[in-house]
Amino acid sequence: DVKVTQSSRYLVKRTGEKVFLECVQDMDHENMFWYRQDPGLGLRLIYFSYDVKMKEKGDIPEGYSVSREKKERFSLILESASTNQTSMYLCASSSRRDRKSTETQYFGPGTRLLVL
Amino acid sequence: GQSLEQPSEVTAVEGAIVQINCTYQTSGFYGLSWYQQHDGGAPTFLSYNGLDGLEETGRFSSFLSRSDSYGYLLLQELQMKDSASYFCAVRDRTTDSWGKLQFGAGTQVVVTP
Repeated sequence: DVKVTQSSRYLVKRTGEKVFLECVQDMDHENMFWYRQDPGLGLRLIYFSYDVKMKEKGDIPEGYSVSREKKERFSLILESASTNQTSMYLCASSSRRDRKSTETQYFGPGTRLLVL
Repeated sequence: GQSLEQPSEVTAVEGAIVQINCTYQTSGFYGLSWYQQHDGGAPTFLSYNGLDGLEETGRFSSFLSRSDSYGYLLLQELQMKDSASYFCAVRDRTTDSWGKLQFGAGTQVVVTP
């Protein structure tokens, strides 16, 4: 059974803190993604990675960075958390085996982050 | 660029049929995907159409017409557990070869007794 796990379901941080969100997948997928989801705004891509040590900016990368040192792990870093980064953060992964696999993303349970 | 349009909300009674339309604009196109998300949960993959026509998976079917840049998700024999948000998603051939998807804003399906 495919599995994407995220380090925390709920997180409360203070403004200015450095925040690490970790995502691990056990499907040997090449692609990994970080999204944030806010009411009325749908899913917005922050960063994605198509290989170890490779990363690409998504639609809203400002205020975030990522790290992919191992194939199974993709970390999202908030260098200095701000209240407007309060959101649900979702990690996803996909394979590049074929066209359908590339377009089938498996999501983790999400981390609900509150920045005070 | 690309954009996807889908209705914001649909309400129907148990046992009914619901169709969620999705129109897209993209300069290149691979296929149309659908995801389901329950409140507080993560999106889960439902179906994928890479070619024109209908794909059926149990009570759910998905349709694609590439010439019309249009697809839909059909939910049959609605059950209370089908109350969720449904997202369509596309990958743009010209801007991405790594599997990045653009998601629609989502359609909230409300099933009433």
